[in-house]
Amino acid sequence: DAGITQSPRYKITETGRQVTLMCHQTWSHSYMFWYRQDLGHGLRLIYYSAAADITDKGEVPDGYVVSRSKTENFPLTLESATRSQTSVYFCASRVDRDTEAFFGQGTRLTVV
Amino acid sequence: SQQGEEDPQALSIQEGENATMNCSYKTSINNLQWYRQNSGRGLVHLILIRSNEREKHSGRLRVTLDTSKKSSSLLITASRAADTASYFCATSRGGFKTIFGAGTRLFVKA
Repeated sequence: DAGITQSPRYKITETGRQVTLMCHQTWSHSYMFWYRQDLGHGLRLIYYSAAADITDKGEVPDGYVVSRSKTENFPLTLESATRSQTSVYFCASRVDRDTEAFFGQGTRLTVV
Repeated sequence: SQQGEEDPQALSIQEGENATMNCSYKTSINNLQWYRQNSGRGLVHLILIRSNEREKHSGRLRVTLDTSKKSSSLLITASRAADTASYFCATSRGGFKTIFGAGTRLFVKA
């Protein structure tokens, strides 16, 4: 199916474990983004990527790692999960700088 | 800090009424976008207005932009129960980042 998909949709993990959230888009958009959404904070940018092998930090990058070896994939890894990383994570892509963003359905992550 | 801030935080109206949401931002922008999010879903793009535009329409949506006041408004006319959602403004400054506000929760009563 065309579009942007995230997996898993739901994840429960324990404090200290490494977790990877997957994001895949079929449009070959250059730009991809990871946001987290928490009550009272709206969406906050974690990391973004302008192209394969080009990534940069957003507003709240601490505790997260990203990679982009292929244009269509942009995984987000929590190296050692903490309770404060319990959140809903959204991946998005754009074809160009100042264009609309397309969002995945989100991954609800709970760290216990 | 958030670039865009929506006002009000929550809005409850009757079906058929108009809903107006406002967004203020702090720095110069290239464009401003509005998104809708239904409960438990991803965000969906509604409309993009560029810094050299003052007003834009899309169906029942009307967006205005006042760059001198650094503010934008989203008007939904003749609202429906299906319009119940959270609405976010997002600003782009020409770089890679798009920064979102905290959103307005709209509830339309049937």
